[in-house]
Order: sequence, then C-alpha cells, then structure tokens
Amino acid sequence: DSGVTQTPKHLITATGQRVTLRCSPRSGDLSVYWYQQSLDQGLQFLIHYYNGEERAKGNILERFSAQQFPDLHSELNLSSLELGDSALYFCASSVAIAGDTGELFFGEGSRLTVL
Amino acid sequence: AQKVTQAQTEISVVEKEDVTLDCVYETRDTTYYLFWYKQPPSGELVFLIRRNSFDEQNEISGRYSWNFQKSTSSFNFTITASQVVDSAVYFCALSEAIGNQFYFGTGTSLTVIP
Repeated sequence: DSGVTQTPKHLITATGQRVTLRCSPRSGDLSVYWYQQSLDQGLQFLIHYYNGEERAKGNILERFSAQQFPDLHSELNLSSLELGDSALYFCASSVAIAGDTGELFFGEGSRLTVL
Repeated sequence: AQKVTQAQTEISVVEKEDVTLDCVYETRDTTYYLFWYKQPPSGELVFLIRRNSFDEQNEISGRYSWNFQKSTSSFNFTITASQVVDSAVYFCALSEAIGNQFYFGTGTSLTVIP
C-alpha cells in the first residue's frame, strides 16, 4: 500500500460526459502529480501541484483541469469526454522538499472507460 | 528533448535467465535522481529504487541489482535468475533537483517464460 488513495477505481461513462477523479496523497506529501496511461502506452504527465499551487503542466488537454485543495487532496476533472480519453489515470505524491525530490508514490489508478 | 530513453521495448527471457534492462538519461543538472518502477499486469506502479547523482555505488537487493554509471549516463537494472513474477513493465525515471519534475522512459515490457 503506497498510502496514496484514488477514487473511483473504475468508471464507465459516455462520450460528452464529465467526470471527476479524486486523489488523497500520502500524509505529509505536498506534491501531487497526475499521469495518464492509455492502453499499452507509457506514462503521460498531465499536471503537477505543490501545496495548492500549479507547478507544471504537461500534455493536458484544455478539456481537462485539476486543482489541489487546502487539505492537499487533488481532483482531476475531465469534460466533454471522447473515446480516446479512455485510460488509466494515476495520481502520485511526493515529499518534494526543495532540492531533494523524493520518490513518487503512486495510487492504484482510476480506470476510465468512455463508451 | 527526451530525457530518459529505454531503447528496449519488449524483452522475453526463459525463467532463471538473467536479464538487464537499459536506461539512458540526459540532464544538465549536477544534482538529480534516478528511479526504477515496476508495473505488473495488475496495473499498479511500484517503486523499486531511488539513486542520487552523487552516489555511484551499485546496489543489490536480492535478485535485483542496479548499475549507475555517470560516465555513460546510464542506470541499468539487472534481474538475476528471473522468475515468472518478474513479468511486468519496468519504467526508468529521472528527476532534477530544481522544479521537482519527473521524466519517465517509455518502459520495457519484460516477459518471463516458464
């Protein structure tokens, strides 16, 4: 158990819909990262938050948005869903002390299926 | 520019064979961190090892060993006497001290045949 909690574990929805994925980082971790992994693909970095502030954006579509709340949990919102958005979405957290990047601890992922 | 390269897309070995997974990285930072993660068929990503750029000592953990060579910018992972349970996708990653960003390789899919 990595200590990172993601909900829901599985989600099936239709094209055009909107979903929210939730992530609770490990206790004490200030950084939250979101990654997308499509079938047989590598990890695509979406976005990074540190202590409530957006730190970096990767290949995140405009239809996607995220935020990190004061209690450090994070949500990834996916809207106007398309078939190609079907993927495993990972959240990861790290301590991320300045100048010393701790390892990423990953949640079990949220598997999104868009029909 | 790609920062982490895992040139081997897929590898198949017979059980009990040794196998080495290659990882080559690129960075201009003098302080950085290297990682290996395992993703078994069940899908979760499991942290295996973290190495900082100042520590070139090789590490051994049971059947797993890691060879870090700054001269060739490589951080290779060897599994000795492979087992079926080692079948997974293995990702190498780099993190630079500034910015706390992570760069993952595209992964190597290892299949261990019984």
